[in-house]
Amino acid sequence: EAGVVQSPRYKIIEKKQPVAFWCNPISGHNTLYWYLQNLGQGPELLIRYENEEAVDDSQLPKDRFSAERLKGVDSTLKIQPAELGDSAVYLCASSLDGRGGSDEQYFGPGTRLTVT
Amino acid sequence: SQQGEEDPQALSIQEGENATMNCSYKTSINNLQWYRQNSGRGLVHLILIRSNEREKHSGRLRVTLDTSKKSSSLLITASRAADTASYFCATVPSYGNKLVFGAGTILRVKS
Repeated sequence: EAGVVQSPRYKIIEKKQPVAFWCNPISGHNTLYWYLQNLGQGPELLIRYENEEAVDDSQLPKDRFSAERLKGVDSTLKIQPAELGDSAVYLCASSLDGRGGSDEQYFGPGTRLTVT
Repeated sequence: SQQGEEDPQALSIQEGENATMNCSYKTSINNLQWYRQNSGRGLVHLILIRSNEREKHSGRLRVTLDTSKKSSSLLITASRAADTASYFCATVPSYGNKLVFGAGTILRVKS
């Protein structure tokens, strides 16, 4: 079974430029998560999707971050414009059914973003 | 914000020794989960323990949960070099269904 796929694995951009990350969850997983992980810290949830609906985006900085999950499968996370402080690893995860928080989450390898 | 705090921040042991990592959290929980993250790789789920459980085993892993002290421990027995990684505890608060991670413990197993 293929795991969660993310691309690109690494991205270096200059500040004020836009950037997008792509995630393909495990087939059949209804819930998709985007996390941000700073160096030396645990992941922090940015947004959670149940199918195509964003059910928790309270931690997503909406002035510059946006996300979408078309047809309830793949998802894209975008930053426009990027700032120096956005340098981090962006992790995507999926689970069968995220309601209740009792599902095991499967994580992708992440995208390491460096903003110069 | 991060609810869990792992202790110690870093741990270095010899292969074959046991490793114990602790996690404390602040609010009542639905469940607590432990994850491992190898350098350059994503997180891997290790074990989930529910609030009404006190102990759980999986292979060389043993997790305990003390809800009265709001703490959990992860014991890895007979450690191997391949166990070198960062270990995170993550909680699902009773009031929500979001996984909240701690800052992690860096474990180094020397061969």
